[in-house]
Amino acid sequence: LAKTTQPISMDSYEGQEVNITCSHNNIATNDYITWYQQFPSQGPRFIIQGYKTKVTNEVASLFIPADRKSSTLSLPRVSLSDTAVYYCLVGDWGAGNMLTFGGGTRLMVKP
Amino acid sequence: NAGVTQTPKFQVLKTGQSMTLQCAQDMNHEYMSWYRQDPGMGLRLIHYSVGAGITDQGEVPNGYNVSRSTTEDFPLRLLSAAPSQTSVYFCASSSQGLDEQYFGPGTRLTVT
Repeated sequence: LAKTTQPISMDSYEGQEVNITCSHNNIATNDYITWYQQFPSQGPRFIIQGYKTKVTNEVASLFIPADRKSSTLSLPRVSLSDTAVYYCLVGDWGAGNMLTFGGGTRLMVKP
Repeated sequence: NAGVTQTPKFQVLKTGQSMTLQCAQDMNHEYMSWYRQDPGMGLRLIHYSVGAGITDQGEVPNGYNVSRSTTEDFPLRLLSAAPSQTSVYFCASSSQGLDEQYFGPGTRLTVT
């Protein structure tokens, strides 16, 4: 299983761009990088997934360097409602391989 | 679509009691999984299934049993509840070949 390391917590202000970096030094060739968001008392919600380079959707961007040993989730212009825990997962769940959630990054957005 | 549903929402058990947490999905997903989340912690995988009749252990399977007789349902059984099993339990489902998991609302279990 690929182990991931993320900052425990981050603070930001409304309107700022937030970048959360995840380290995954032992990522395997078939592994994808997936990010989830979790609000208190709710199950996690899928945000974005990528394999290499850059992926962008309506809520976030994911930057993956060529060596794939890290990835950065970028949230543009955060609002108070983006206060949540963000999890980086590395693996190939789609192929039935077990993957794990780490401790996540607790993002606090302040007014 | 109701998505992923879990029952009950809350449960209090005494040590040694057994119970089954129910999970159902109506998206025809092949993969289903159970996680537990302790206060202030990330999710840990208990058991998962890649299709009806197929189950496998996750990180923390001890004290739990699962079976998958249909595509829709994936119940989690606590054989003899212990205070260490006090946690929030999440069920999730996903399509084969895709990594996006859809999570249920969770069951908050307290074992006294």
